[in-house]
Amino acid sequence: NAGVTQTPKFQVLKTGQSMTLQCAQDMNHEYMSWYRQDPGMGLRLIHYSVGAGITDQGEVPNGYNVSRSTTEDFPLRLLSAAPSQTSVYFCASSSLAFRVGYEQYFGPGTRLTVT
Amino acid sequence: AQTVTQSQPEMSVQEAETVTLSCTYDTSESDYYLFWYKQPPSRQMILVIRQEAYKQQNATENRFSVNFQKAAKSFSLKISDSQLGDAAMYFCAPTNAGGTSYGKLTFGQGTILTVHP
Repeated sequence: NAGVTQTPKFQVLKTGQSMTLQCAQDMNHEYMSWYRQDPGMGLRLIHYSVGAGITDQGEVPNGYNVSRSTTEDFPLRLLSAAPSQTSVYFCASSSLAFRVGYEQYFGPGTRLTVT
Repeated sequence: AQTVTQSQPEMSVQEAETVTLSCTYDTSESDYYLFWYKQPPSRQMILVIRQEAYKQQNATENRFSVNFQKAAKSFSLKISDSQLGDAAMYFCAPTNAGGTSYGKLTFGQGTILTVHP
């Protein structure tokens, strides 16, 4: 199993550009989520999904869109990048089966810089 | 909504010694899980240990153990026989086990652990 994969690993954007961060998991997990981590801080939830076709906002959703057309994939879209979106982005997935503990498996992260 | 407080921005320990990292949280839920994650310089998030709130017994995982005080909403991590590879940022994170927000993790600010040889 590859676990959770993210592409790209690094990206530099100019203000106003758009891009999509890709996330895929091969563990058949229902739950997928996107976090951002700013320097010296914990992770903050951007958007999450409990299954294909179902998404919801987290703590810091502004400026980001998501969709979930398959169980495996959960892309994060930046429609018009801003310098405030410079951060490291993590995708995570977990099973929601009863009492398995909801351990989240994280991807390796994408370091995004917006100039 | 859950809030998490890690009151120690930085901690240091000598190799082979023991260190305890603190975490307090606030939740209105009665059923939840608590996690400690480790983030080394590679930035990969690695699960260290998990505690189920309905279990009174503290979780242990090799050199890692927790002191879970449900009434006090406290969840500290003890690392015994510290090793150089334990140096990392450590995050405490609770998640609800039911309701509309089940599965969502809330992270603390993190504690940077330095291990001295």
